[in-house]
Amino acid sequence: EIVLTQSPGTLSLSPGERATLSCRASQSVSSSFLAWYQQKPGQAPRLLIFGASRRATGIPDRFSGSGSGTDFTLTISRLEPEDFAVYYCQQYGSSPRYTFGQGTKLEIK
Amino acid sequence: EVQLVESGGGLVQPGGSLRLSCAAYGFTFSTHSMNWVRQAPGKGLEWVSYITGGSSTVYYADSVKGRFTISRDNAKNSLYLHMNSLRAEDTAVYYCASQGGAPAALDYWGQGTLVTVSS
Repeated sequence: EIVLTQSPGTLSLSPGERATLSCRASQSVSSSFLAWYQQKPGQAPRLLIFGASRRATGIPDRFSGSGSGTDFTLTISRLEPEDFAVYYCQQYGSSPRYTFGQGTKLEIK
Repeated sequence: EVQLVESGGGLVQPGGSLRLSCAAYGFTFSTHSMNWVRQAPGKGLEWVSYITGGSSTVYYADSVKGRFTISRDNAKNSLYLHMNSLRAEDTAVYYCASQGGAPAALDYWGQGTLVTVSS
């Protein structure tokens, strides 16, 4: 079973700054099977990125994804107030079908 | 507009049973694989179960295998999760989520339904 480890656990930044979130897999993951989600308190997760770098429908271009193999990154180029939330990476496999990282909380500094 | 609406959550005693439902709107339900994902209070996301559009293939997390059963009724645009032998550690918000437009990802989610297992 592939384990996804996200870092940092908490990231404190100010609006307008750049955020870089990391997701490391315990073994190589196909880029086609790596996604990122945003979750705000009391809300369901929202798909941001799939296929490691493809933005989902309606996602602003300040969100970008990159990486390959075991190291993946979600970058938010200029933080807006609505971007402060928890972010999860996810990989798709056979069993279990989906695995999530433990999450990175992006908080206002 | 795509919408997923879960129902059926509530308070149940340890060892009890519950059936969750998810009604789908705004897309061709029968062509989408569907999933249940849960989130314990204050914790992260945990995938629970998966079913293909035609119900030919199902998968379960080890933590629920043998206790939970996923099913769907394409005529009713509905997804179900039958939960038996419930434990305190099954307490969570349960989300249904579709896998369709974005390969290998969950592109639409419901608002979730809370299941509390407690005596």
